[in-house]
Amino acid sequence: EVQLVESGGGLVQPGGSLRLSCEASGFTFSDYVMFWVRQAPGKGLEWVSAMSGTAFATYIADSVKGRFDISRDNSKNTVYLQMNSLRAEDTAVYYCAKGAVGGTVFNWFDSWGQGTLVTVAS
Amino acid sequence: EIVMTQSPATLSVSPGERATLSCRASQSINSNLAWYRQKPGQAPRLLIYGASTRATGIPARFSGSGSGTEFALTIASLQSEDFALYYCQQYNTWPLTFGGGTKVEI
Repeated sequence: EVQLVESGGGLVQPGGSLRLSCEASGFTFSDYVMFWVRQAPGKGLEWVSAMSGTAFATYIADSVKGRFDISRDNSKNTVYLQMNSLRAEDTAVYYCAKGAVGGTVFNWFDSWGQGTLVTVAS
Repeated sequence: EIVMTQSPATLSVSPGERATLSCRASQSINSNLAWYRQKPGQAPRLLIYGASTRATGIPARFSGSGSGTEFALTIASLQSEDFALYYCQQYNTWPLTFGGGTKVEI
């Protein structure tokens, strides 16, 4: 059974930093692109970032480009989202999601973590 | 960026009734569309991919149709757990984008 467990969320001041982690199990982690998707309170879903299985390719949404970075450690089956220069509008639940088809970013999400809440406020 | 537009924003139906949700893409996405259901306080769950293929474990009352720019999700007979938010997502063109969602309420 696929499991994705996020951690690292919390309250941070504007301009601050936070690193989210997502530990995966139940599949061959290095074979799949991993994604971060966020959902602001009462709002819809927004793709934030993605990283290929080999960690060779990264993709960052324009809304967070230059502030967020994604990485992964395949030896630990974990993907990370480093968030810097946080703004109030980054307040959201951040979900880790697994691409359904290995090896491509043109993907749908067949497994999701439970989400971790990031609140940016003073 | 491909804009995904869902309608209606809110759909009021009774248990046991049929519900049809729409999703429109701003340009052709072939059949590269997925649907998700999100219950309150939970993560989204995959229902449909490839516009019409049910995901593992999804009951037959869920069906998807369409291609190109017009898509639909039909729930044949609404159960209590189906009163939730529904999102469509295209994966034909980068960046991946979601629709704004349809809330199905009693």
